[in-house]
Amino acid sequence: GAVVSQHPSRVICKSGTSVKIECRSLDFQATTMFWYRQFPKQSLMLMATSNEGSKATYEQGVEKDKFLINHASLTLSTLTVTSAHPEDSSFYICSARPTLGDSPLHFGNGTRLTVT
Amino acid sequence: QKEVEQNSGPLSVPEGAIASLNCTYSDRGSQSFFWYRQYSGKSPELIMFIYSNGDKEDGRFTAQLNKASQYVSLLIRDSQPSDSATYLCAVKSGGYQKVTFGTGTKLQVIP
Repeated sequence: GAVVSQHPSRVICKSGTSVKIECRSLDFQATTMFWYRQFPKQSLMLMATSNEGSKATYEQGVEKDKFLINHASLTLSTLTVTSAHPEDSSFYICSARPTLGDSPLHFGNGTRLTVT
Repeated sequence: QKEVEQNSGPLSVPEGAIASLNCTYSDRGSQSFFWYRQYSGKSPELIMFIYSNGDKEDGRFTAQLNKASQYVSLLIRDSQPSDSATYLCAVKSGGYQKVTFGTGTKLQVIP
């Protein structure tokens, strides 16, 4: 149980374009999902907390207008990297936990974004 | 002071030995503690979670929690080369959804 699906697993885009990443909880409902970014050989950095039906909460230093988050349903959150630049190239990972109870976070398989 | 601290390693142990991974946290209100394993280029996968003081065992893995000392550890018995990965300690404070991760300890199991 508690499977989180993330798509796409890998994407290459040109500088200036936008990229959308989807995160789905397959067998549970998640009021809250989390988006992380990880640069090579560095730790996970929380970017934002995605809340179903309301605005996302962004961590300090993360531009909300650049990283658009939409959490339209209890099983889907999307992260759109707008006007991507090479420095946005990174490993983006979403996570979620069932709304009920105190279950651990489960992670999607991540999206490797390369901006050329 | 970092909220969750881990030694970055690498921690090298011979195959078959016990690997001991440690983590300290700063928020005394923390209630839930997790260990994740992350292979290079992959996303983290949950190994164990522990909520109460003491030990929790699952196969070759044992999580130990000492809330008074704000310390949580992970023991891996009979270490295998396939255990070589980065191990992330994560802490959730009561009443909050946010989970804070340590920077991870890289474990190398030498055949």
